[in-house]
Amino acid sequence: GENVEQHPSTLSVQEGDSAVIKCTYSDSASNYFPWYKQELGKRPQLIIDIRSNVGEKKDQRIAVTLNKTAKHFSLHITETQPEDSAVYFCAASFNDMRFGAGTRLTVKP
Amino acid sequence: NAGVTQTPKFQVLKTGQSMTLQCAQDMNHEYMSWYRQDPGMGLRLIHYSVGAGITDQGEVPNGYNVSRSTTEDFPLRLLSAAPSQTSVYFCASSDAGSAYEQYFGPGTRLTVT
Repeated sequence: GENVEQHPSTLSVQEGDSAVIKCTYSDSASNYFPWYKQELGKRPQLIIDIRSNVGEKKDQRIAVTLNKTAKHFSLHITETQPEDSAVYFCAASFNDMRFGAGTRLTVKP
Repeated sequence: NAGVTQTPKFQVLKTGQSMTLQCAQDMNHEYMSWYRQDPGMGLRLIHYSVGAGITDQGEVPNGYNVSRSTTEDFPLRLLSAAPSQTSVYFCASSDAGSAYEQYFGPGTRLTVT
């Protein structure tokens, strides 16, 4: 089955800086790559996703890039704010969805 | 719409007890799945279903059973609880399959002593 690796496991940035989280996947058949944000005690919620026929997607301060050849994708958050502090999960999907282990992002005011 | 609902919110079991975690959705989604979340391990897929009457195993299915008799409900059964099953369990649904946005329920925190 699919295996998704996510790095780093923790990330601390100053408010206003950028944050980058990287994931790799193993199954070349995977065609959907979402990113979820989970605040403490809450359920995961989708923040952005990308399909295998697209290389980059942007939504305001959040962007995702996909390199199918290298089988890796990344989440970029610009102008970080304290409310961006949360755990972020990447995932890859074909027949079922597999998640990375998560990145705890802390944005210091 | 209530979205995806899960009951109970919290549960404590003794080793060897059985129980069923309930999951329901009112969005007419065909695809439903169960994940467990453990510290440092992300969300691991237990079982999923692509429609009523159809279920399949995920990456960590041992010790769990599922059935899908209706589109709305997807219960998860623990046959004989073990301390290793202490976790937070999330149910999720999607209107078009695994390769689309998953809508998560609020979770059930299970402790097995």
